[in-house]
Amino acid sequence: QKEVEQNSGPLSVPEGAIASLNCTYSDRGSQSFFWYRQYSGKSPELIMSIYSNGDKEDGRFTAQLNKASQYVSLLIRDSQPSDSATYLCAVNKDNFNKFYFGSGTKLNVKP
Amino acid sequence: KAGVTQTPRYLIKTRGQQVTLSCSPISGHRSVSWYQQTPGQGLQFLFEYFSETQRNKGNFPGRFSGRQFSNSRSEMNVSTLELGDSALYLCASSLGQGLYEQYFGPGTRLTVT
Repeated sequence: QKEVEQNSGPLSVPEGAIASLNCTYSDRGSQSFFWYRQYSGKSPELIMSIYSNGDKEDGRFTAQLNKASQYVSLLIRDSQPSDSATYLCAVNKDNFNKFYFGSGTKLNVKP
Repeated sequence: KAGVTQTPRYLIKTRGQQVTLSCSPISGHRSVSWYQQTPGQGLQFLFEYFSETQRNKGNFPGRFSGRQFSNSRSEMNVSTLELGDSALYLCASSLGQGLYEQYFGPGTRLTVT
């Protein structure tokens, strides 16, 4: 079983719609959760971090964490073509900086 | 504040050679982690250094090694290169260990021929 699982996509949404990206993790003791965006040929860029159950909003982005169900999601409101990228979910299981990454979900936002 | 920098950005090596990659973390960050990214395996953790000590290691052979200097700059070395070592090598820095965010550098694209 993989530590972090994501649907590889591609997920296609029209411009202006809400994109919903999901991630599940296997270790119930995981403590911190992150979403990264990676454009083709570039390195991952941190979008959001979330540490406690519930929602965390930052601009058009909302991260949701449900530790009981072991899933993390990212909502992108008013999706733009520039949001087209691969979104990586990362989990830090303990107090060391050993992040486990999902394989990423490719998002296509169509104009 | 300047981001994480990595040098060189691109590298072409021959099988059997060795290579050293360098990473300078964000000013004030004391933890440096290294990852390998390939299309088939995704992002995989190599090792992490904090205060010049390796604190964590991933499941990679001993050909992969690293170190961290007193100014938090880090290097990783791969000896006896294999074709399968061709990948994007990413360095990430964070303030410390624990519930901290990691920020990635631009990466070094290594091609082994």
